[in-house]
Amino acid sequence: DTGVSQDPRHKITKRGQNVTFRCDPISEHNRLYWYRQTLGQGPEFLTYFQNEAQLEKSRLLSDRFSAERPKGSFSTLEIQRTEQGDSAMYLCASSFLRGSDGYTFGSGTRLTVV
Amino acid sequence: SQELEQSPQSLIVQEGKNLTINCTSSKTLYGLYWYKQKYGEGLIFLMMLQKGGEEKSHEKITAKLDEKKQQSSLHITASQPSHAGIYLCGADIDRDDKIIFGKGTRLHILP
Repeated sequence: DTGVSQDPRHKITKRGQNVTFRCDPISEHNRLYWYRQTLGQGPEFLTYFQNEAQLEKSRLLSDRFSAERPKGSFSTLEIQRTEQGDSAMYLCASSFLRGSDGYTFGSGTRLTVV
Repeated sequence: SQELEQSPQSLIVQEGKNLTINCTSSKTLYGLYWYKQKYGEGLIFLMMLQKGGEEKSHEKITAKLDEKKQQSSLHITASQPSHAGIYLCGADIDRDDKIIFGKGTRLHILP
């Protein structure tokens, strides 16, 4: 297993366009998390899944954001009608149900909205 | 996260010196995690503390948990250039295995 993979690594898009990011977690992990990180800040929780079920979605997340994990394996995060304020690093992580070993993070997808 | 406060926000130390980073929670901690992040990259798990008084070490990095004070400290002994980066504390404060992070401490090591 090569760890958590995120694709693409970088994305530049024009304001108003839709973008989709993909995350492939460690195959044995049943939990998958999405975070957003802006410059100078810590990662901000967005949403997480246990297998294919989305357990929680941050209240800070607008309706333009949607995430799926259709078969309990990979996950996608879609942002519709992107705004400049969406520019950030989007981080994916996975873990076992009990995270005593912590989360394993991917390298992130850096989104720039111009 | 406002629930987790890290101090200092940034730190510049001479190579070879010791340093300490603190993380304080406004809520009960059900697990305290330390991560390191290189600029523009993902987070690397360092260690997790769960019980009051617990102390763990990873190479020259030691972390302690003071459960009563809802606080953890990360101590680096004899700092090296490889220690430079952002140190993030995270905590499970809702008892649902979801980690909330602090803003991080930016560590620079001067040669």
